[in-house]
Amino acid sequence: QIVLTQSPALMSASPGEKVTMTCSASSSVSYMYWYQQKPRSSPKPWIYLTSNLASGVPARFSGSGSGTSYSLTISSMEAEDAATYYCQQWSSNPPTFGGGTKLEIK
Amino acid sequence: QVQLKESGPGLVAPSQSLSITCTVSGFSLSRYSVHWVRQPPGKGLEWLGMIWGGGSTDYNSALKSRLSISKDNSKSQVFLKMNSLQTDDTAMYYCARNGITTGRLFAYWGQGTLVTVSA
Repeated sequence: QIVLTQSPALMSASPGEKVTMTCSASSSVSYMYWYQQKPRSSPKPWIYLTSNLASGVPARFSGSGSGTSYSLTISSMEAEDAATYYCQQWSSNPPTFGGGTKLEIK
Repeated sequence: QVQLKESGPGLVAPSQSLSITCTVSGFSLSRYSVHWVRQPPGKGLEWLGMIWGGGSTDYNSALKSRLSISKDNSKSQVFLKMNSLQTDDTAMYYCARNGITTGRLFAYWGQGTLVTVSA
């Protein structure tokens, strides 16, 4: 199965700061998907087909990448963006998730 | 609107079996697949398996021998059964569905049901 490795596992950012987190796949995938999860809540769909924002996701978020390397970027950190972000692939079975990047606000 | 809601036993004794129900609304199980995903406390997400609209199933190979997924289209319910539970099966169990225009994104999630494996 394809293993997704997210880095960093933990990061913090100040309000207004640009944030980038990465997701590395053990084999090439066609697309990457991202979720945001806050404590005591279900994962929220965040980015689909690598670069498309899900409904309601602020425009300061963006996704990019190809092959084995993907990233999620926040152009200007806001307090509400503090959460854990997971990447996910389903280019091959089974669908797999990365271990998550926990983003904290400074 | 699309909704999914899990219901489960809460507490399961080690070596016993687990049964969880996912009740859906806003769509037909005969047309859409439903997935099961779990998340141990403080840890990441693990895909368990799925049932397709036609009724066929796919499972995570690591758990395949212990898992069974079935459904009742007329009741809009999907069932997860797992046997021989151990403490590391303690997790929040979610059911989820893909979107229509969002590729293979899990676009809809239930609230989850917490299962604790303990004597």
